[in-house]
Amino acid sequence: AQTVTQSQPEMSVQEAETVTLSCTYDTSESNYYLFWYKQPPSRQMILVIRQEAYKQQNATENRFSVNFQKAAKSFSLKISDSQLGDTAMYFCAFMSTSGTYKYIFGTGTRLKVLA
Amino acid sequence: DTGVSQDPRHKITKRGQNVTFRCDPISEHNRLYWYRQTLGQGPEFLTYFQNEAQLEKSRLLSDRFSAERPKGSFSTLEIQRTEQGDSAMYLCASSFGGTRSYNEQFFGPGTRLTVL
Repeated sequence: AQTVTQSQPEMSVQEAETVTLSCTYDTSESNYYLFWYKQPPSRQMILVIRQEAYKQQNATENRFSVNFQKAAKSFSLKISDSQLGDTAMYFCAFMSTSGTYKYIFGTGTRLKVLA
Repeated sequence: DTGVSQDPRHKITKRGQNVTFRCDPISEHNRLYWYRQTLGQGPEFLTYFQNEAQLEKSRLLSDRFSAERPKGSFSTLEIQRTEQGDSAMYLCASSFGGTRSYNEQFFGPGTRLTVL
């Protein structure tokens, strides 16, 4: 069974600084997707960034980028130029490309951006 | 398209009562998922529909839980004889299954259930 581990329950960063959230996963599959979702306080989850396992190039979306290390089964999220609006819970999710495409989530990292 | 919607947003009930939640997915999405999220945890998968067919149920979904998706449109999740341990946020998500998509899921705002 696949598992996803987020080892940082809480983190804080100063506005305009850079922060990296870690995520590791375990799977025996060779093709899958990885996602980072953001869940602001009392608001719904939204997709931040996605990565396909067969693509070696790390995904980037504006201030958000990932460091995908397939052999190490690591998928970290880097947020550059942090903004107050980045304050949220961040969840790492694994999705197999076989079966039902359900997500396996980590326990989340609560990020607080300080003014 | 206004995204995935869920109703109600909050539900308070007494132990032993039945509750039903509704999810309206994005209209062209054929896949629908239910997850449960407890405080301090990530969402956990409950069940999956492809169109109207329920194709997978988690072991978390006890006999007191039932879900439907008539005609492959909206879905309902019913909990019978609620227990305090059922208190959680129930999230619905939908996705478009196809070779041109990343199969990413779009989430609704959730229904927060409190069982007294």
